[in-house]
Parts: sequence; structure tokens; C-alpha cells
Amino acid sequence: GESVGLHLPTLSVQEGDNSIINCAYSNSASDYFIWYKQESGKGPQFIIDIRSNMDKRQGQRVTVLLNKTVKHLSLQIAATQPGDSAVYFCAENPYNFNKFYFGSGTKLNVKP
Amino acid sequence: NAGVTQTPKFQVLKTGQSMTLQCAQDMNHNSMYWYRQDPGMGLRLIYYSASEGTTDKGEVPNGYNVSRLNKREFSLRLESAAPSQTSVYFCASSEETSGSPSQETQYFGPGTRLLVL
Repeated sequence: GESVGLHLPTLSVQEGDNSIINCAYSNSASDYFIWYKQESGKGPQFIIDIRSNMDKRQGQRVTVLLNKTVKHLSLQIAATQPGDSAVYFCAENPYNFNKFYFGSGTKLNVKP
Repeated sequence: NAGVTQTPKFQVLKTGQSMTLQCAQDMNHNSMYWYRQDPGMGLRLIYYSASEGTTDKGEVPNGYNVSRLNKREFSLRLESAAPSQTSVYFCASSEETSGSPSQETQYFGPGTRLLVL
């Protein structure tokens, strides 16, 4: 079955540094991926998405990279700020237009 | 716009009790979802409704029922609560538009924290 996993459950970075959060997926048929941010006590919040016909997509301070060869997804956050402290999930949509499978999440701690 | 709203925010039940979790969205989205989130695990889909009048099972539907009351509202019912249903429940919605994949993003509510004793 599908599995969406994260390499590191917790990541600590210094304020101002860049952060990289990784995600592996198992279904080569997945064609749409989303990164979500979840702050404590709140629901997940959309950050950025990418389709399988792209290798890279940039947003404001965030970049998502997709390597279909090794089925790997990463989220890069530039100049990490204390407000970036949260749990980050990746989600994949393997074959159903509206059904996603979510990873367990990586907790990002930003040290001042 | 309030986005996706959920009630209640927190609930304590005894084993065997029933309750309904309410969800509403004001974004005119077609699709709505119920997820549960347990410590150390990703969100797992319980049920979803691709459009008004339809519902389908997700990964973990046992012990739950849903009702898509209208386009705005999607409720989740626990008929006989069990301790294994202690979790945080999230409702989400998305605008399913065939041919417009960029609309697939799901928007989440703040969650309902349920404790079953």
C-alpha cells in the first residue's frame, strides 16, 4: 500500500538558517503533493503544492523539490523564523482526485 | 469568511455514549472530509463526501457514520463511543473542479478534541 514517511521526526534549527524537511513516498503513480504546516492546537494549513510534471516550485520563503526517480519530496524554508516552529506534513494523492495520504509529520523547532 | 468551522472544540464521553461532531464551510466547496489524528501518526481519512448527497468510506470508517446535510455541512457521528476513538478530529473541504487540479487543496478546521473514558 501507499506509505508517506518522513526521515526525521524532529528538526532543530537556528533562527535565520535554512531548514530542509524531507518526505518519502512509495506510490510512483502519485501525481500531486502538498506540504502542510500545523501549529500547536490548530488544524493543518496549506503551504505549497507541486505536481509530478514539475521538479521544483517556489513560494514565499519556501521551495518544494520533487525527485520522482527516488520518490522523494522536500520542503526548504529560507531564513527560518520562530513563527515557522510547527509540525510539517507532506501528503500525496496517488490516484483519487480528492483523497490524500498524510505522513506522520516532522516537528520543526526554531532556536532564537 | 470563517472558512471551516467545527463544534465542539472539546468533548469528554463515557464508553458507549453517542455524539455528533459538526462541521461547516462557507467557501462553497463541493468536497468535505473527516480525518482523525493520533499521536505519532498522520491524518487518517474516516469518511469523505465528494459532493452534496454522496458519502464514501475512507481508511478508518468503522465505528463512525456521516451525513452530508447540505453543501455547507458535514457531520460525523459516533453511535457508541470507545476509548480507541479518543483522538483529534479534523474536518476539511476542497473545491473539486474537474480539469482544474490546482483546486484540490484541502482547507482544514481547527479540530475537535475527543476523549472517551
